[in-house]
Amino acid sequence: GAVVSQHPSRVICKSGTSVKIECRSLDFQATTMFWYRQFPKKSLMLMATSNEGSKATYEQGVEKDKFLINHASLTLSTLTVTSAHPEDSSFYICSARDPSRGFFNTGELFFGEGSRLTVL
Amino acid sequence: GENVEQHPSTLSVQEGDSAVIKCTYSDSASNYFPWYKQELGKGPQLIIDIRSNVGEKKDQRIAVTLNKTAKHFSLHITETQPEDSAVYFCAASRGSSGSARQLTFGSGTQLTVLP
Repeated sequence: GAVVSQHPSRVICKSGTSVKIECRSLDFQATTMFWYRQFPKKSLMLMATSNEGSKATYEQGVEKDKFLINHASLTLSTLTVTSAHPEDSSFYICSARDPSRGFFNTGELFFGEGSRLTVL
Repeated sequence: GENVEQHPSTLSVQEGDSAVIKCTYSDSASNYFPWYKQELGKGPQLIIDIRSNVGEKKDQRIAVTLNKTAKHFSLHITETQPEDSAVYFCAASRGSSGSARQLTFGSGTQLTVLP
C-alpha cells in the first residue's frame, strides 16, 4: 500500500534555531500534501496545504514566515520551523494524497508517522 | 466551515465486548467520512471510510454507519482485543473531482480494551 515517510521522527533543538521536517510519498506522486500539528491528547489541527510547484495555503492563525513550506517535487514536501521557540514544541504530522485511489479520484489520504519536535 | 464533534472522549471496554464511537458533522455537503486509528507516537492510520451514498460499511470486526439526515456517523468495533487500544479520530470532508479534499477531524476517542 501507499506509504508516507517523515523524517526526522524526533528532533531536539535549541531556541532560536531552525528545524526542517521532510515528508515523502514513497510509492506515489502527491500533488497535494497537508501539514498538521497535534498537541498532547488533542486532535490534528491543519496548518497548511502544500501544493507542488506553487505556494502553500495556510490556515488562519498560522504564521507563514514561521512555518515555511516547500513542495519542490511530486514526492517531497518540507516544513521548516524558523527561529523555533519552546511553544513550537509539538507533534507535526504530514499527509499525502494518492490521486490514483479514492473517491472521485481525489485520492485516499495517507499519513506519515509524525515528527516530535522539542525546543529547549 | 465544517465542525465535527466526537463522543466519548474516553472509552474503556472489556476484551470481547463491543465499542461504539459517535460523531456528528455540521456541513450537509460533506460526503466522505473516514475513521483513523492513532497509536501512541505514531501517525493516524485509515481503518475504514464511508461515502455519502451508502449507509453502512463493514470490514471484519469494524463497521461504520452513516445517517445523512441526522448528520451523524458511528464506528462500531466488535469482539474488541487489547491491540484495539488507541486513539480513534473521525473526520469529514467535502469535495468533488479535482478538488483538494481537506479533512476536518473530531477531537478523538481514547479507547482502552481491558484484558
